[in-house]
Amino acid sequence: SQQGEEDPQALSIQEGENATMNCSYKTSINNLQWYRQNSGRGLVHLILIRSNEREKHSGRLRVTLDTSKKSSSLLITASRAADTASYFCATPPNSGNTPLVFGKGTRLSVIA
Amino acid sequence: SQTIHQWPATLVQPVGSPLSLECTVEGTSNPNLYWYRQAAGRGLQLLFYSVGIGQISSEVPQNLSASRPQDRQFILSSKKLLLSDSGFYLCAWTTGGDTQYFGPGTRLTVL
Repeated sequence: SQQGEEDPQALSIQEGENATMNCSYKTSINNLQWYRQNSGRGLVHLILIRSNEREKHSGRLRVTLDTSKKSSSLLITASRAADTASYFCATPPNSGNTPLVFGKGTRLSVIA
Repeated sequence: SQTIHQWPATLVQPVGSPLSLECTVEGTSNPNLYWYRQAAGRGLQLLFYSVGIGQISSEVPQNLSASRPQDRQFILSSKKLLLSDSGFYLCAWTTGGDTQYFGPGTRLTVL
């Protein structure tokens, strides 16, 4: 079953603008992760935010988590053409060996 | 450092032919291993995962199977491919932490 759902499905912005993607999930989580996938490539882990954290930064990335609303957002500041990719949120339904459940992703296009 | 390999990178197969995709991980021991499939422009569908040699959990009933003959080797197979098996197949690993690390993927086209 789908745990995370990203919104919007697709986003097109100009280089230098900020890009915001949202993720909603259904059940309680220990953490939420964001991944990036360039076209035709594997996914790359970007950032993990734990359930007791509200905000986390990594370079031009800012992730927020609102456990009361069961939602997270990924903000990419000062976007670049190289940021063009699909972005997925993922949550572990349970701890331990249970695989991550991925959303369908947001396709970001940054136009130079 | 850990690396993950998948081969082949691309594959074109006729309907009804067999399939064998291989995934190997280097630089770690006793990883959890995963096979995902991604249809064009879609999200990831978990197919199989394994927590140890010979231990396979199937998430989606279909004509695919998986095996783990060695600690760091994960194989995805089919005896007879269907058109619907076309897609992008991704292998991933983790060692008990929450982050998964993905291979480069195999693009399978069934004609």
